[in-house]
Amino acid sequence: GDSVTQMEGPVTLSEEAFLTINCTYTATGYPSLFWYVQYPGEGLQLLLKATKADDKGSNKGFEATYRKETTSFHLEKGSVQVSDSAVYFCALPPGQAGTALIFGKGTTLSVSS
Amino acid sequence: SQTIHQWPATLVQPVGSPLSLECTVEGTSNPNLYWYRQAAGRGLQLLFYSVGIGQISSEVPQNLSASRPQDRQFILSSKKLLLSDSGFYLCAWSIDSLNTEAFFGQGTRLTVV
Repeated sequence: GDSVTQMEGPVTLSEEAFLTINCTYTATGYPSLFWYVQYPGEGLQLLLKATKADDKGSNKGFEATYRKETTSFHLEKGSVQVSDSAVYFCALPPGQAGTALIFGKGTTLSVSS
Repeated sequence: SQTIHQWPATLVQPVGSPLSLECTVEGTSNPNLYWYRQAAGRGLQLLFYSVGIGQISSEVPQNLSASRPQDRQFILSSKKLLLSDSGFYLCAWSIDSLNTEAFFGQGTRLTVV
């Protein structure tokens, strides 16, 4: 079945460092792909999305490109801030056979000043 | 625009007591509705989903139940809480489950003591 694999955390970086969080997926067809962010004590927020191959989603300095050749949707940011400390989830829709978004296990990012 | 409300934000309940968490969505009709649980430091577990009034599907057998008495209202309940029911509960909605994102409430932190 469809699935999402996310790199294990935690990821610890200094402010202004470059961030990459890897996400690969297994799916039938070419579904939309999403990144969510969860700040401490809060619900999940949609960070960015891409709806077709080669699309680049971007928001708040974060980017992710939908790569169908490598079935990947890696999240990147050129210069992280302390305020980016959160848990990041990669997700894809279940399509016709499913019920709800399929989430990766989440990657915790901790940024220190 | 659409909004989702979830309450209460935090709850401390004794073992064996009942539970009722409520979620409402505004600004859309016939949404898909979801209840997730997130244990400390772990990923998301889908508990229930609903595609319409009175239509509830359970993903995991447990001490909890869900109801959808109105189109945009989703309630999570328990008759007798267990210690293992502690966690962070998240309600979410989507337009459909095929290829679209879901939007989350702010969550309820439940501690069973």
